[in-house]
Amino acid sequence: SQTIHQWPATLVQPVGSPLSLECTVEGTSNPNLYWYRQAAGRGLQLLFYSVGIGQISSEVPQNLSASRPQDRQFILSSKKLLLSDSGFYLCAWSVLLNEQFFGPGTRLTVL
Amino acid sequence: QKEVEQNSGPLSVPEGAIASLNCTYSDRGSQSFFWYRQYSGKSPELIMFIYSNGDKEDGRFTAQLNKASQYVSLLIRDSQPSDSATYLCAPSSNDYKLSFGAGTTVTVRA
Repeated sequence: SQTIHQWPATLVQPVGSPLSLECTVEGTSNPNLYWYRQAAGRGLQLLFYSVGIGQISSEVPQNLSASRPQDRQFILSSKKLLLSDSGFYLCAWSVLLNEQFFGPGTRLTVL
Repeated sequence: QKEVEQNSGPLSVPEGAIASLNCTYSDRGSQSFFWYRQYSGKSPELIMFIYSNGDKEDGRFTAQLNKASQYVSLLIRDSQPSDSATYLCAPSSNDYKLSFGAGTTVTVRA
């Protein structure tokens, strides 16, 4: 069966510090991978998606970037965090029919 | 821009009643429709999907789709306290992406 991992689970970072969040999927090959952000009390905002290694599509211009160095690994990064980057970051995967399955998420607080 | 509208709630229903959640979408190219449940502080989990007009039943859940009206709904029968959560509607076109509504919060009171 498929499993998706995200780490860390929670993170508190100062403004201006770098960020690296990692997501890995097990039990499937060539998944589509997604990064979402959910601000407190808000809906899910798609940040990036990837249909293959090295292929990244950005949905919202901002100070975040994403990379996919391996088939089942997706990384979200920032060089300098802003207060507005606080939120619940979710990684998701899909293979068929756009059914997306979410990881446990990383709760980021930028102070 | 693809818009998805849901009543934010909270929708309060007594235990054992039917909870009815509505969702309208703007993209006429939407082909598939997903419902997710999100407990407070947790990630969304897929509960069901529908592709064709009409009703689709899965246990206590029934999804209803009317593409002509750009409307999809979710019924929860015999509501239980464990159904208390936020329900997210997510239409999809054939472009690998889902468009999420802001969600409807359901509270089932014992």
